Amino acid sequence: QKEVEQNSGPLSVPEGAIASLNCTYSDRGSQSFFWYRQYSGKSPELIMSIYSNGDKEDGRFTAQLNKASQYVSLLIRDSQPSDSATYLCAVSNPNTGNQFYFGTGTSLTVIP
Amino acid sequence: GAGVSQSPRYKVAKRGQDVALRCDPISGHVSLFWYQQALGQGPEFLTYFQNEAQLDKSGLPSDRFFAERPEGSVSTLKIQRTQQEDSAVYLCASSRRGRGGDQPQHFGDGTRLSIL
Repeated sequence: QKEVEQNSGPLSVPEGAIASLNCTYSDRGSQSFFWYRQYSGKSPELIMSIYSNGDKEDGRFTAQLNKASQYVSLLIRDSQPSDSATYLCAVSNPNTGNQFYFGTGTSLTVIP
Repeated sequence: GAGVSQSPRYKVAKRGQDVALRCDPISGHVSLFWYQQALGQGPEFLTYFQNEAQLDKSGLPSDRFFAERPEGSVSTLKIQRTQQEDSAVYLCASSRRGRGGDQPQHFGDGTRLSIL
């Protein structure tokens, strides 16, 4: 069982819609959670970090964390074609070191 | 520079050759990580430095892989006697000092390694 699971997609949404990206993790000791965006051939770019249960909003992006359900999500409001990319969920557990555990990523396409 | 810098961007080598990949982290970042990313996959952890100390090398796939960061800044990942399965993108990331992975990691553009 992979530690971090994401639907690989592709996920397609029309421009202006809400894109919902989901991530589940198996390690209950995980305490830090991150969403990265990766354009093809480029490096992962940090979008959001979240550490506490609940919602965290930053512009058009909202991260949601539910540690009891071992679930973290990313909502993108008013999706734009420039949001088309692969979104990576990353998780870390202080008891297993400083590295991040990544999912395989969800490919998002925003259709103009 | 403002970001993590990696070189070369692309490297082609013949099977059996040795390669060296360089990473220059963000100034002031004490933590440095190497990841391997296969096509269509998420990055997989290789090794972690805090300053010049290599604190975790549990992700290195074999003893052909070696990393160093002698002065606590620039790091080099070396792969000896390369094999075709080593073909991947090698990502370097750096972060501020933190505890247990609580600091966001900032990635370089990676080195795309192709072994023929």
